[in-house]
Amino acid sequence: GENVEQHPSTLSVQEGDSAVIKCTYSDSASNYFPWYKQELGKGPQLIIDIRSNVGEKKDQRIAVTLNKTAKHFSLHITETQPEDSAVYFCAASIKSNQFYFGTGTSLTVIP
Amino acid sequence: GAGVSQSPSNKVTEKGKDVELRCDPISGHTALYWYRQSLGQGLEFLIYFQGNSAPDKSGLPSDRFSAERTGGSVSTLTIQRTQQEDSAVYLCASSLQPAGEQFFGPGTRLTVL
Repeated sequence: GENVEQHPSTLSVQEGDSAVIKCTYSDSASNYFPWYKQELGKGPQLIIDIRSNVGEKKDQRIAVTLNKTAKHFSLHITETQPEDSAVYFCAASIKSNQFYFGTGTSLTVIP
Repeated sequence: GAGVSQSPSNKVTEKGKDVELRCDPISGHTALYWYRQSLGQGLEFLIYFQGNSAPDKSGLPSDRFSAERTGGSVSTLTIQRTQQEDSAVYLCASSLQPAGEQFFGPGTRLTVL
């Protein structure tokens, strides 16, 4: 089956700096890669996603890049703010009912 | 509008007891997922319902776990003869259609003593 690895497990950045979280996947058939933000006591919330026919997608301060050849994808958050502090999960999907999640990155933005 | 709701928010039970966890998906969402989130781990897929199709139970860890979805809406995850390793947060998500954006509930934190 698919195996998704996520790094780093924890990340601290100064407010205003950028944060980058990286994920790798093993199954080249994966074609959908969502990123989720989970705040304390809440369920994960989709923040951005990318499909395998696209190399990069941007939404304001958040961007995701995908390298299908290397089987890795990354989340980039620019101009970080304290409210960006949360746990971020990447995921890879082959079929609509099969989502494989990374182990999460706890991001702390220091004011 | 209302999002995905789950109840109870917290459940403490004794080893060997049965528990039922409830999920109310967003109205009109045809797909429903259950996940388990253990401390420091990612989300582990448990089961998937889509419309009236037979559910995908391939993620259920043992035959002590079962789930049903009545009337294509509310879903119940049942864990029989709970074990300490069942302690985790159980998350439910729904989506308007297969492979669509998943909307997660707040989860049920299960603690088995």
